[in-house]
Amino acid sequence: SQQGEEDPQALSIQEGENATMNCSYKTSINNLQWYRQNSGRGLVHLILIRSNEREKHSGRLRVTLDTSKKSSSLLITASRAADTASYFCATVPRENSGGSNYKLTFGKGTLLTVNP
Amino acid sequence: DTGVSQNPRHKITKRGQNVTFRCDPISEHNRLYWYRQTLGQGPEFLTYFQNEAQLEKSRLLSDRFSAERPKGSFSTLEIQRTEQGDSAMYLCASSSGRLAGEYVRLFFGEGSRLTVL
Repeated sequence: SQQGEEDPQALSIQEGENATMNCSYKTSINNLQWYRQNSGRGLVHLILIRSNEREKHSGRLRVTLDTSKKSSSLLITASRAADTASYFCATVPRENSGGSNYKLTFGKGTLLTVNP
Repeated sequence: DTGVSQNPRHKITKRGQNVTFRCDPISEHNRLYWYRQTLGQGPEFLTYFQNEAQLEKSRLLSDRFSAERPKGSFSTLEIQRTEQGDSAMYLCASSSGRLAGEYVRLFFGEGSRLTVL
């Protein structure tokens, strides 16, 4: 089963604009991660945010986490054509919450297209 | 290249045939995962190894699927009597996890795409 649900399913923007993707999840988590996947390729880890963190930055990426709403957002600023990819959130359940704390559960992803 | 390696990258087979995929993880990683991904979906967990021990199998993994990691290094995923519904990308990932409290972060291979005709 898939824990996270990304929104929107697809997003098309112009180069230079910001892109925001959202993720909602169902169970208590230890941490939440975002991954990127270029078409036909493997996934690449982007950023991890712990359950006790509310915001994290890495380069042009900004991730927020609201555990009360069980949601996260990924913001990519000043987008580039090379950012075109699918973006997935993945959750690791909190120990003793009934899940396996070594297993990442992925959402269905947001397909981002950045037009030059 | 010291990343996760998967072979073959593409496999086309006829229904009813057996196929085997191989994954070579990053050498110092003790955790190894198999995921399956269909078009437009996120990766779905199949199975997990810690060293050579298979600690969890998804209910998605029917008895036609078997995975091994005999020496705690490379892993194989075999699908017997393939069906058209098995067509998907099979992704392998590895992770370290020797330290208490260390966060699991997955390093993925490029995947093995299976097409069952």
